Amino acid sequence: KQEVTQIPAALSVPEGENLVLNCSFTDSAIYNLQWFRQDPGKGLTSLLLIQSSQREQTSGRLNASLDKSSGRSTLYIAASQPGDSATYLCAVSPLLRYSTLTFGKGTMLLVSP
Amino acid sequence: NAGVTQTPKFQVLKTGQSMTLQCAQDMNHEYMSWYRQDPGMGLRLIHYSVGAGITDQGEVPNGYNVSRSTTEDFPLRLLSAAPSQTSVYFCASSSDRVGNTIYFGEGSWLTVV
Repeated sequence: KQEVTQIPAALSVPEGENLVLNCSFTDSAIYNLQWFRQDPGKGLTSLLLIQSSQREQTSGRLNASLDKSSGRSTLYIAASQPGDSATYLCAVSPLLRYSTLTFGKGTMLLVSP
Repeated sequence: NAGVTQTPKFQVLKTGQSMTLQCAQDMNHEYMSWYRQDPGMGLRLIHYSVGAGITDQGEVPNGYNVSRSTTEDFPLRLLSAAPSQTSVYFCASSSDRVGNTIYFGEGSWLTVV
């Protein structure tokens, strides 16, 4: 059974810092990996999607990497802002059921002004 | 462009009652799924569908029923509500094209008393 672990569970940083969120998964037979953002009381917004054949994806200040063989992904946020405060979720799609996701429990990020 | 629409947003049920959470998408997506989100457990897959007339169980299907009579709609039925089904429910949809992300609804908050 696929298990997804996110470290740290919570992170508090001052504005302007660069930060890294970590995600690990136990089964490397994945179709893709996605990073989501969730604001309190809201749904999930997809930030980045990395296909299993890719190594990284970038969108603005966000960069996500994938090392499928070691079962690891990182989400790098450059020059953090208070508006980045949210919970960040990592999720993987299995090869044989790629329309579905297995989620980590998330990293709760607080960026203070 | 509505995306994925869930109704109701909030509901209180008594133990033993039945109800249906509605989910509709207007993106002509083949794939739809239901997740529940609980504190400390993350999001877990309840049921999913890869097209009209095709459904399958996820990780936590007991106590829930689904059907997919149209591409647009994927309702989740609670047959006899239990306090353990108190949770936030999210519906999601995606297409089968490589690289397409999964889109989530805003969530339905359900309390069973």
